[in-house]
Amino acid sequence: DQQVKQNSPSLSVQEGRISILNCDYTNSMFDYFLWYKKYPAEGPTFLISISSIKDKNEDGRFTVFLNKSAKHLSLHIVPSQPGDSAVYFCAAISSGNTPLVFGKGTRLSVIA
Amino acid sequence: NAGVTQTPKFRVLKTGQSMTLLCAQDMNHEYMYWYRQDPGMGLRLIHYSVGEGTTAKGEVPDGYNVSRLKKQNFLLGLESAAPSQTSVYFCASRSIGQGNTEAFFGQGTRLTVV
Repeated sequence: DQQVKQNSPSLSVQEGRISILNCDYTNSMFDYFLWYKKYPAEGPTFLISISSIKDKNEDGRFTVFLNKSAKHLSLHIVPSQPGDSAVYFCAAISSGNTPLVFGKGTRLSVIA
Repeated sequence: NAGVTQTPKFRVLKTGQSMTLLCAQDMNHEYMYWYRQDPGMGLRLIHYSVGEGTTAKGEVPDGYNVSRLKKQNFLLGLESAAPSQTSVYFCASRSIGQGNTEAFFGQGTRLTVV
């Protein structure tokens, strides 16, 4: 049973527009949610995170929104740039010695 | 500042051969993880460790063994490689603390089993 779901395998957005990547989760015990970005032939790199006690976290062009009642989070990128083209993974973790659980990823293509 | 280093970066194995993937981190992290990435499957956890001398199974542990004899190293072993183990393997480490502490990843090991 997949605990973290990214239902859109791919997303294509024009440069300058907003990119919205979605993530759903099933485990209500998750305390933190993270977004990772991955370029080909590289390891994933941390992008932004949010605690379950917050509903929004912003870092420059990147904002993550959390809706606990819907068990849904989203990553907004504004404005989108060609360098944002990558695979984005949503991840979640609960307190204690538990590992990060990842979704399957969404491939974002930003078209110039 | 090396972070997380994986060795080797590429390897081709014949079915039935064995090998060990090495992960080394220089950040004094307690937690270490091995994931595999396959097309359309995301990052799936193979095994993980919450400290020196401890290991635990993840989502897809079959066919793999691990050891954490030193805090900075986490080894992933394949005793008898199978074509189904063709994948890109990522090691990650994370410090103890609040749950939002990010995990740092290595650059990956691309393994092909023929």
